[in-house]
Order: sequence, then C-alpha cells, then structure tokens
Amino acid sequence: GAGVSQSPSNKVTEKGKDVELRCDPISGHTALYWYRQSLGQGLEFLIYFQGNSAPDKSGLPSDRFSAERTGGSVSTLTIQRTQQEDSAVYLCASSAHGRLANYGYTFGSGTRLTVV
Amino acid sequence: AQSVAQPEDQVNVAEGNPLTVKCTYSVSGNPYLFWYVQYPNRGLQFLLKYITGDNLVKGSYGFEAEFNKSQTSFHLKKPSALVSDSALYFCAVRPADRGSTLGRLYFGRGTQLTVWP
Repeated sequence: GAGVSQSPSNKVTEKGKDVELRCDPISGHTALYWYRQSLGQGLEFLIYFQGNSAPDKSGLPSDRFSAERTGGSVSTLTIQRTQQEDSAVYLCASSAHGRLANYGYTFGSGTRLTVV
Repeated sequence: AQSVAQPEDQVNVAEGNPLTVKCTYSVSGNPYLFWYVQYPNRGLQFLLKYITGDNLVKGSYGFEAEFNKSQTSFHLKKPSALVSDSALYFCAVRPADRGSTLGRLYFGRGTQLTVWP
C-alpha cells in the first residue's frame, strides 16, 4: 500500500482482556518495528522484524506481550491480560532494505489503546 | 549504550522568530541521525536525516539541522517559525557501524514546540 496502515485506530478494552493490534507495512519493506508511546514517556521500542531473521524482542515489557509477522508482511501485536499501564499509543513503522534503508522509517498513525 | 537526549520538554517561540530544538546523542561509532515530527493524533513524519557529507542538512517545511560531532549534537532549526510548526518533535539515532543497513532507531523523549501568533 501507499503507507503503513494500522488497525484499529482506537481500542477500548477491559482490564484482563486480550487485544490484537494489526500493522500492514509498505509493500516491499522488509523491516517492521513496533513502538509504544505513552504520555510524557517518548517512544519505547518493543520489537523489530527483519526479513526471515529472528525478531529482536528485547523491548517487550513482559511475557504478556507478543508479536508475529506472517509472510514477511502483516504483523500482529498481541497483549494478553491487559493492565491499565498498557494504555498507550502503539506505533508501527516499516523500512526498506538496502542502502536506502538509512532514510529512516515510515510510521503508521498508531492504535490508541485504553484499558479500563 | 545508545541514547538520545532532548533537554527541553517544551519550546515556545513567536511566529517569525527563529527556533531551535536541541538534541544530543550517545552512540557507539558513527551516527545516523533523524528528526521526526508528530502532529496531534497522527503518526510520526520524517523531517530530515544526517547520514554522511555536509554537516548542515535541509529537510521538509524549511527545517534544517546541523551535525556537530565534537559536541555530539544535532539541533533542529528554522529561521522563521510558523504557527503551523507547532507539534511534537523527536530526534533519533542509529549506529552506522553495523553489518546490516537496518536496525532500530533510538528516540528522544520529544520536545513540544508551540509557536504563538
């Protein structure tokens, strides 16, 4: 597609429920990133996928968080047993491979998650 | 460890005045440096980057930034601010000396720029 698409744009869920957030990267982009943006906390790295390599999961805050990327394209971030501190905007970004990759990421508009 | 510092949470300037948003970084080896802007309820948009070459880089919307290796800084500047420049600005860094051309960016906490009429 023309840009990085994230769905849903807003999600309100009850504490303890599981949620799935979806990201459709730009076609042909081999790298995909998830970040979390909390009020006053800046951007927190969560996970990074690059092609068929093992993902860099070093930013996932707990084992309630997981992500997968199917077919090298769409990615789903799953949060199990949501807690109120999970409330944030979850941003997805993708990047092309090759020397042009240094031109940075293209971000989606994010999913605003509210846990009540 | 890689890190980015944006020492000012907020910057306020009058329209027409020059603006500066500060950024310093810590990275192993040479850096790739980026500025992104975020408007309300939107994702981050790329503004400009430093990869190599001239220390002064020009980007979108009249913004520019100067890479200063000795001071490990990459301050964002604009000669004449507009009210429409009001947004949240993020500085980001990635180590250049890696086997892969890809990798995660390390972001600062962001600086809220407000330009008043």
